[in-house]
Amino acid sequence: KQEVTQIPAALSVPEGENLVLNCSFTDSAIYNLQWFRQDPGKGLTSLLLIQSSQREQTSGRLNASLDKSSGRSTLYIAASQPGDSATYLCAAPGGGADGLTFGKGTHLIIQP
Amino acid sequence: GAVVSQHPSWVICKSGTSVKIECRSLDFQATTMFWYRQFPKQSLMLMATSNEGSKATYEQGVEKDKFLINHASLTLSTLTVTSAHPEDSSFYICSASGFVNSGQPQHFGDGTRLSIL
Repeated sequence: KQEVTQIPAALSVPEGENLVLNCSFTDSAIYNLQWFRQDPGKGLTSLLLIQSSQREQTSGRLNASLDKSSGRSTLYIAASQPGDSATYLCAAPGGGADGLTFGKGTHLIIQP
Repeated sequence: GAVVSQHPSWVICKSGTSVKIECRSLDFQATTMFWYRQFPKQSLMLMATSNEGSKATYEQGVEKDKFLINHASLTLSTLTVTSAHPEDSSFYICSASGFVNSGQPQHFGDGTRLSIL
């Protein structure tokens, strides 16, 4: 059974800093991994999808890496802004028929 | 592209009521849809996997007689919470995928916040 762990659980930093959010998963037989953003009381916004054949994926100030052999993924946020404040979720296949297993998220606060 | 619409966004109803939530893929055919639940301050947990034209597969601990799932077409899946009680109050969210095991992403609806009084 897939298990996904995210570290840290919470992070508060001044704006402008570069950040690294960590995700680890137990079952490395995945074909992709997704990072999402969730604002309070809202649904999910997909940020990045990394295929198992890729090592990195970039979108704007976001960069996600994937190391299947070690069961780890990182989300790098460059030049953080207050609008980046949200909960960031990492999810890997491993549920029934490859439904996603989610980590508990990193609650990020960017201080103006 | 790849838009998933979920309706309703909010439901408030009395204990014992049955509530139906719809999940539609608007611009693609979804052979598989997934239903997740999120309790306050918790992460999302997979409830069931819904395949078009066949019975849903439920995760361990999810009561199939309480959470009825129908996936009658390639663009619509419904989740019915039967005889809902306050402990069923949660955030329910669906996702859809064209083909699983293909590397394609799952696309999520905006979720339904269910409050049972």
